[in-house]
Amino acid sequence: AQKITQTQPGMFVQEKEAVTLDCTYDTSDPSYGLFWYKQPSSGEMIFLIYQGSYDQQNATEGRYSLNFQKARKSANLVISASQLGDSAMYFCAMRELGGGNQFYFGTGTSLTVIP
Amino acid sequence: KAGVTQTPRYLIKTRGQQVTLSCSPISGHRSVSWYQQTPGQGLQFLFEYFSETQRNKGNFPGRFSGRQFSNSRSEMNVSTLELGDSALYLCASSLAGDFVLPGANVLTFGAGSRLTVL
Repeated sequence: AQKITQTQPGMFVQEKEAVTLDCTYDTSDPSYGLFWYKQPSSGEMIFLIYQGSYDQQNATEGRYSLNFQKARKSANLVISASQLGDSAMYFCAMRELGGGNQFYFGTGTSLTVIP
Repeated sequence: KAGVTQTPRYLIKTRGQQVTLSCSPISGHRSVSWYQQTPGQGLQFLFEYFSETQRNKGNFPGRFSGRQFSNSRSEMNVSTLELGDSALYLCASSLAGDFVLPGANVLTFGAGSRLTVL
């Protein structure tokens, strides 16, 4: 089974609108971390936000928030007030406590912000 | 502070050749991981080094190898190149593998080395 599933290959959003990028994960490890990364066309992966499995509150970082639903094993990224510079690939990733420092990445969602 | 530096950024090789890619982590980061990114397979974990020791290895053939030096700089080597090895190779560093400190295991990536095998 895939560790990380991103079911939206491509998404479009109007500038200044909010958008939700979906991510579901699969693990039997009770301790894990969930991450979102952004990859612009330049190729460099940029860390956006982190959520730990024991965190009680949803993580937020500026315009980014993570909608963490543990029972459903989902960790959706919400980008508020989209900007043209948000157009990029977005990857959800997971690290399990029992998995060393290996990260599992989803296949990514390509987000295009329309002016 | 300086980010993760990968060299070379672009390179072209032919089948059967070998290639060495270099990665300089953020100062103070002791863990260095390598990932292969291709359009078809996405990001796949190659291996991770910590304090000059390989701690984890992904499901890649033995043609893919790496090492880490005492200053935490890392190299990866691919021998007997195949067409399917064409990819973006990403290096990432983190403070440590200590899961207790969430900030310690955020990966910081370099810009990547884009390898084309002809």
